[in-house]
Amino acid sequence: ETGVTQSPTHLIKTRGQQVTLRCSSQSGHNTVSWYQQALGQGPQFIFQYYREEENGRGNFPPRFSGLQFPNYSSELNVNALELDDSALYLCASSFGGGWNYGYTFGSGTRLTVV
Amino acid sequence: TQLLEQSPQFLSIQEGENLTVYCNSSSVFSSLQWYRQEPGEGPVLLVTVVTGGEVKKLKRLTFQFGDARKDSSLHITAAQPGDTGLYLCAGPIRGNTGKLIFGQGTTLQVKP
Repeated sequence: ETGVTQSPTHLIKTRGQQVTLRCSSQSGHNTVSWYQQALGQGPQFIFQYYREEENGRGNFPPRFSGLQFPNYSSELNVNALELDDSALYLCASSFGGGWNYGYTFGSGTRLTVV
Repeated sequence: TQLLEQSPQFLSIQEGENLTVYCNSSSVFSSLQWYRQEPGEGPVLLVTVVTGGEVKKLKRLTFQFGDARKDSSLHITAAQPGDTGLYLCAGPIRGNTGKLIFGQGTTLQVKP
């Protein structure tokens, strides 16, 4: 059983640029959630995708967008990057749009905006 | 607004000591989860507590869910350097099933 894989592991972008982060969900999981974790803080919910549709969104602006593909993998896109977007971006997969069996997190993508 | 507040934020202890981490809220949660995160890795689920007053044990770790389901605690007995990491509590966002709200975390350092 493969876990959640995220790519790339590290990324440096310039303010104003756009970035795409990728996530492959754990085998058997059909739900992907994205979280932003600032240094020394807990993860903050960005949005969730279930059956290829957005299934809830946290308090993030529209320049944060995403996709889920038929194989349940997912992308997080951030436009017009700001310095405050520097963070660890975590992808978590689960089954059935819920969380009762717990999330499986990837190791994250460390994004630095300069 | 649902919030989970953890205390303490930082804890540095010697190997063999006991410690307790707290997770508190003014809101009722249907359940709470505890995760452990190591540097450069994603959080790993330790336990889910569902029933008010529930106590779960995982080797030297004891988790308790408050009777009113507004708080939880994590107690570690005889801490070891391998316990070092960021401990996070998390609960489901009300009316938004499948999404979690996290506390700010407790960074634990266990020195040999």
